[in-house]
Parts: sequence; C-alpha cells; structure tokens
Amino acid sequence: GENVEQHPSTLSVQEGDSAVIKCTYSDSASNYFPWYKQELGKRPQLIIDIRSNVGEKKDQRIAVTLNKTAKHFSLHITETQPEDSAVYFCAAPPGKAAGNKLTFGGGTRVLVKP
Amino acid sequence: DAEITQSPRHKITETGRQVTLACHQTWNHNNMFWYRQDLGHGLRLIHYSYGVHDTNKGEVSDGYSVSRSNTEDLPLTLESAASSQTSVYFCASSEGGPDDYNEQFFGPGTRLTVL
Repeated sequence: GENVEQHPSTLSVQEGDSAVIKCTYSDSASNYFPWYKQELGKRPQLIIDIRSNVGEKKDQRIAVTLNKTAKHFSLHITETQPEDSAVYFCAAPPGKAAGNKLTFGGGTRVLVKP
Repeated sequence: DAEITQSPRHKITETGRQVTLACHQTWNHNNMFWYRQDLGHGLRLIHYSYGVHDTNKGEVSDGYSVSRSNTEDLPLTLESAASSQTSVYFCASSEGGPDDYNEQFFGPGTRLTVL
C-alpha cells in the first residue's frame, strides 16, 4: 500500500514568516494530494489539494507544489498568522483503480509565535 | 444544512465489552470512512465503504467491524474492546465513486477510553 512520510513533525515560526511542510509518498501511480488542517480539539478540514496534472496550486497565502519525479509534495504558508497554528496532515491515495481511500502522513504541529 | 455527525462524543467502557460508534451523514455520499487518531500516528484508516452493502478493511482493521445497510450510516463496532483501542475516532464521507478523488468531510470525532 501507499506509504506517506511527513516532515517536520513540529514547526515553530515567527508571525509573518513562511512555513514549509514536506511529504513523500511511495506509489508512483498516486495522482491526488490533499492537505488537511486540524485545529486543537476540532475535526480535520481540507485546505488545499493538487492533482497530478499540475505542479503548483495557490489559494491566497497557501500553496502546494508537486514533484512527481521525486515523489514529494509540499505545503507552503506565507505571511503566517496566529490562526495558522494547527496540525497539518498530508495524504495520498493508492495508485489508479485502487480506490480513493487515503493514507495520511503523521502530521506537523505548526506554532506561530506572535 | 447537510452534515456528518458522530455519537457518542465521549465514551468510557471496560475491556472486553462490545462498543458501537455511530456515524450519520445527510449529504447522500457514497463513500464513508472510519479513522483512528493517536499521538504520533496521524490518522489511520480502519474500514471504509463505497456504497450500501460494501465494506472494506483499512490498515488497522483488526478488532473492528462495520456494516452499511443504507447510504447515511456506517456504524463502527469494537467486538471486544481492548485498552489499545483507546483513541479518538473520526468518521468521514465524500461524494462520487470509488475512484473519484474528492474532499473528505470529517465528523466531530468520538473520544473512546477503554479501561
């Protein structure tokens, strides 16, 4: 099955700085890569996703980049704000025709210091 | 408004007891998933279903079972609860078919403690 590794496990940044989280995956046939944000005590929520036909996708202060050759994708948060403090999870499905179940990375706890 | 709910939100039980966690969604989604969340392990898939009467094992399915008798509900049963099953359980659903990659909407979670 798919193996997803996420780094770092914790990330502390100063408000206004950028944060980058990286994930690697094992199944070269995977073609959908979502990122979920989980605030303390809340449920995970999708913040951005990318499909294998594009290399980068942006939504305001967040962006995701995908390198299919190297089998890794990254979440970039610019101009971080205190409300960005949360745990972020990357995920990937198994290869084509194997269903849309997701394997999640271990999570990155981001702390934005004011 | 359409939503996904879980009950109970908190449960304390004893080792060896059977426990059932409920998940109900009103979006009419075909795909439903159960995850457990433990520190250091992220979200791990227990079971999933792509439609009525369809169930599949995830990566950590031992000791758990599900059934899908209608579109809205996917109850998760712990046959004989063990302390290792103390965790936070999340249910999720998504629209489309088995090979459609769409957003998974998560329920609020159930915190289960097995003593």
